[in-house]
Amino acid sequence: AQSVTQLDSQVPVFEEAPVELRCNYSSSVSVYLFWYVQYPNQGLQLLLKYLSGSTLVKGINGFEAEFNKSQTSFHLRKPSVHISDTAEYFCAVSGLGSNYKLTFGKGTLLTVNP
Amino acid sequence: GAGVSQTPSNKVTEKGKYVELRCDPISGHTALYWYRQSLGQGPEFLIYFQGTGAADDSGLPNDRFFAVRPEGSVSTLKIQRTERGDSAVYLCASSPNQGSTGELFFGEGSRLTVL
Repeated sequence: AQSVTQLDSQVPVFEEAPVELRCNYSSSVSVYLFWYVQYPNQGLQLLLKYLSGSTLVKGINGFEAEFNKSQTSFHLRKPSVHISDTAEYFCAVSGLGSNYKLTFGKGTLLTVNP
Repeated sequence: GAGVSQTPSNKVTEKGKYVELRCDPISGHTALYWYRQSLGQGPEFLIYFQGTGAADDSGLPNDRFFAVRPEGSVSTLKIQRTERGDSAVYLCASSPNQGSTGELFFGEGSRLTVL
């Protein structure tokens, strides 16, 4: 079984500032890691994923995340945010043998202020 | 191309009533998933279909919950004798096959309120 902890429920930042959304996971098996984003009144959409290979993964809209196996973390970063990045961000994990069964964190609400 | 479509978008019902929630996946996607998102929580897995069969229903909370996908496309989540604790947003997702790329395509959800 896996679990995901998103350490911040809300992150307010000013436009053009950098941001980091933290995610830690727990698992007894090797995992795949994901970040999904939910814009207001829209469905969840995949931002980026780590399946294997390079631990630094790049996603849509200028976001990136780094898989750190020793710290069991998968933090999401963006060097300069825009108003349009305001959304709820969910970190998720799945086991390699059950990659359809995502375990999500509780989400982090990113609010970008002008 | 159309995304995952879920109906109704909102459903208010009384405790003890029966409810059906419908999901129309992206055309050609063989895998379909139901998740449930309670207030302040992340989505939780309920059931996964590969084609017409439920490959994993380990997330269904109890026997009041049932889901079908008779023709391998549209799926219906059925909840009998609804309880106030069933209030949540029910999310449907699909993927081309068993999540091999790890990307699930989610609908906007059906918000269920049980009074």
